[in-house]
Amino acid sequence: TQLLEQSPQFLSIQEGENLTVYCNSSSVFSSLQWYRQEPGEGPVLLVTVVTGGEVKKLKRLTFQFGDARKDSSLHITAAQPGDTGLYLCAGPGNTPLVFGKGTRLSVIA
Amino acid sequence: NAGVTQTPKFRVLKTGQSMTLLCAQDMNHEYMYWYRQDPGMGLRLIHYSVGEGTTAKGEVPDGYNVSRLKKQNFLLGLESAAPSQTSVYFCASSRGRGAYEQYFGPGTRLTVT
Repeated sequence: TQLLEQSPQFLSIQEGENLTVYCNSSSVFSSLQWYRQEPGEGPVLLVTVVTGGEVKKLKRLTFQFGDARKDSSLHITAAQPGDTGLYLCAGPGNTPLVFGKGTRLSVIA
Repeated sequence: NAGVTQTPKFRVLKTGQSMTLLCAQDMNHEYMYWYRQDPGMGLRLIHYSVGEGTTAKGEVPDGYNVSRLKKQNFLLGLESAAPSQTSVYFCASSRGRGAYEQYFGPGTRLTVT
């Protein structure tokens, strides 16, 4: 069974701070995805990374896929209250997509 | 495009009652999924479908049944609801598996008393 471990589980920071959240596994993934879920809504895809070592940027968000394709990180620069939400990583596994348990981020103005 | 829609948004059931959740997508996607989301447990796959007329078990299928009679619809049934099935249920669809984006509906909050 392919498991994705996300850390930290909870993160509360002040507006303007930088942060990094992690998604780790003992298994190799052909690709990893990051979703963001806002309260009362379904998850929405932020990015898909498919190549080991790949770095993708989405405005203030930087995503990195580990060289060995077993881990990924999401770095947010100058966090804003609009970044508040649950960040989920996901990758293909025994079922079409396996999700981590998520990092719940709260950005305080 | 409405994307993925779910009906109903909220429901309260008594133990032993039955109900059906309806999911519809207008993106002509082959794959459809039902997940449940519980605090601290993340998203867990209940059942999924790789095309019209097909269904497959996910991680937590017990107590649920599904049907995909039409490509655009995926129904989730609870035959005899239990308090352990209190959860938020999400439907999703995608063009394929793996690196394909999954599009999620807004969720159904179900409480079983």
